[in-house]
Order: sequence, then structure tokens, then C-alpha cells
Amino acid sequence: AQTVTQSQPEMSVQEAETVTLSCTYDTSESDYYLFWYKQPPSRQMILVIRQEAYKQQNATENRFSVNFQKAAKSFSLKISDSQLGDAAMYFCAYRSVTDYKLSFGAGTTVTVRA
Amino acid sequence: NAGVTQTPKFRVLKTGQSMTLLCAQDMNHEYMYWYRQDPGMGLRLIHYSVGEGTTAKGEVPDGYNVSRLKKQNFLLGLESAAPSQTSVYFCASTNTGIYGYTFGSGTRLTVV
Repeated sequence: AQTVTQSQPEMSVQEAETVTLSCTYDTSESDYYLFWYKQPPSRQMILVIRQEAYKQQNATENRFSVNFQKAAKSFSLKISDSQLGDAAMYFCAYRSVTDYKLSFGAGTTVTVRA
Repeated sequence: NAGVTQTPKFRVLKTGQSMTLLCAQDMNHEYMYWYRQDPGMGLRLIHYSVGEGTTAKGEVPDGYNVSRLKKQNFLLGLESAAPSQTSVYFCASTNTGIYGYTFGSGTRLTVV
């Protein structure tokens, strides 16, 4: 199974500021998909952003953007203009093109200070 | 608009009891999954199914069984519950996985 590592158990950010969550993964494949999921206190898993490995361009969804470094096997998430509603646990996830299983990192809890 | 529905949402079991968690999806998805979420460990795959009538083991299958007799339903069974199975269980489904997976709202299971 692929290994997904999130080295930051917790991150804190001031409202309206920017926070970056790190994620690294281990794979021998050249093509795969990467995801960031948000889990608020409601427990619901919400897809934030996705990246296809064969695309060089970093994905962006409104205030959320990624820095995808394929050679370094790194997939960080940047949350800009942080809002109170961004407070949640964030999971990085990996899926290969040949396997329909999704592998998750341990998660990063984001706290937003008012 | 239901998506993925999990029942029950909460359950307390005594050690040795059995139970079945039900996952139902109305999106005609081929692939379905059961994960467990424990603090500091993210979501770990228990079992999954690539189509009606098929099941396969994931990362942590011991102590669980599954069945997928109908395409829309994926059942997770605990034959003899143990305290180590105290967790939050998530069901997920997808057609291709390329655009993401749809998750249920989770079942919090406590085994005492």
C-alpha cells in the first residue's frame, strides 16, 4: 500500500491569514491522483481539491491551492484568507491509476483564531 | 440527493456481540469501501468491493466481514466485537475514483 505522510498533526492560523499543510507520499508509479479532504466537526468528508499527476499545473479551487512537486513526491495545500469555517481536520489522499483504493495520511487539524 | 447513507449513526456494543453496519448508495457506483478512522491514524481501509457480488480485503480486515449482494448496498459485519474495534466507520463509493469519492456521514461504534 502506498504511504501518505502528513507531518503536522496540528496547525493554527489567524483569520484572514494563510496556512500551508504538508503532505508527502511514497510511490513507484508515474501516474496517480492526489486529493485533499476536509473533515469538519460534523464528521462529513468533503473533497477540497484534486490533482492529476500527469498535469504539471497546480490545482486551484477558490481560496484553496496546491503545490504539487512530483519529483519530491510532495503535495501541499495552501489555504488563503483563512475563515472560521476552515477549521477542520484535513486529510491528504492518494490513488493510483491502476488501483481504485484511496490511501490516507494521518490528518492535520487546523484551528482558525478569530 | 441522498448520496451515501450509513446506518446506524451510533452504536454501543458489549464485547462478544455481533452487529452489521449498512451502507447504501443511490449513485449507481461500482466501487464501495469501508474505512475505519482512529485518532492519529487517518482512515484505514477495511474491505472494499469492485462490483456486485465481489469483495476484497483492505489494510485492516481482521475481525470484519463484508457482503455486497446488491450493487447499491455494502454491509460490514462484526461477528464478535472487541474493544479494539471501537472506532468511527466510514463507507465510501465511487465510479472511477478520478474525481473523488463520496463518503457517508460515519458510524461511531463503541465496544465496551
